Amino acid sequence: RKEVEQDPGPFNVPEGATVAFNCTYSNSASQSFFWYRQDCRKEPKLLMSVYSSGNEDGRFTAQLNRASQYISLLIRDSKLSDSATYLCVVNMYNNDMRFGAGTRLTVKP
Amino acid sequence: EAGVTQSPTHLIKTRGQQVTLRCSPISGHTSVYWYQQALGLGLQFLLWYDEGEERNRGNFPPRFSGRQFPNYSSELNVNALELEDSALYLCASSLNRGGEQFFGPGTRLTVL
Repeated sequence: RKEVEQDPGPFNVPEGATVAFNCTYSNSASQSFFWYRQDCRKEPKLLMSVYSSGNEDGRFTAQLNRASQYISLLIRDSKLSDSATYLCVVNMYNNDMRFGAGTRLTVKP
Repeated sequence: EAGVTQSPTHLIKTRGQQVTLRCSPISGHTSVYWYQQALGLGLQFLLWYDEGEERNRGNFPPRFSGRQFPNYSSELNVNALELEDSALYLCASSLNRGGEQFFGPGTRLTVL
């Protein structure tokens, strides 16, 4: 099993739609979790950290399910500018960060 | 505050040559990570340096190496370049071990 696994997509959704991505991780001792977005041929940029209680930043909601070992990202009211690849990142037990392969999202007019 | 910087931006080399890529972390950040991203693929972890020491390396051959200097800047060296080394090489820094990583713009390496 891969250390961090994401559905590669692509997810093609209309503007205004709600879309959710999941990311599973293999190490139950993993300590911290993040979502990044990466635009084509650019560097990844931090979108949000994922806290145990779940957290929200505007249209974006991140959740952690330790029992099932996954994190999720929900995007409400999708905008064209949300089109990007979304990467989940897991801090393994030894403070070693691992990136998922990314989920591609395309928001269409 | 300046972000993570990398140099050079682009590089073209031929097979068998050697290359050195450089990274300056955000001021105050002690951890530096290196990743390789081949076209259309995900980030592959290369190396992690913290406080001047190599803390972990990914599943890459020994011709990929690096170091971190006392000012926390870092170099990535790749010897005996192969065609499949063509990729975007990204450097990231973080304030704490396991904290959020902030990426530089990358160095795009083309091996001919």
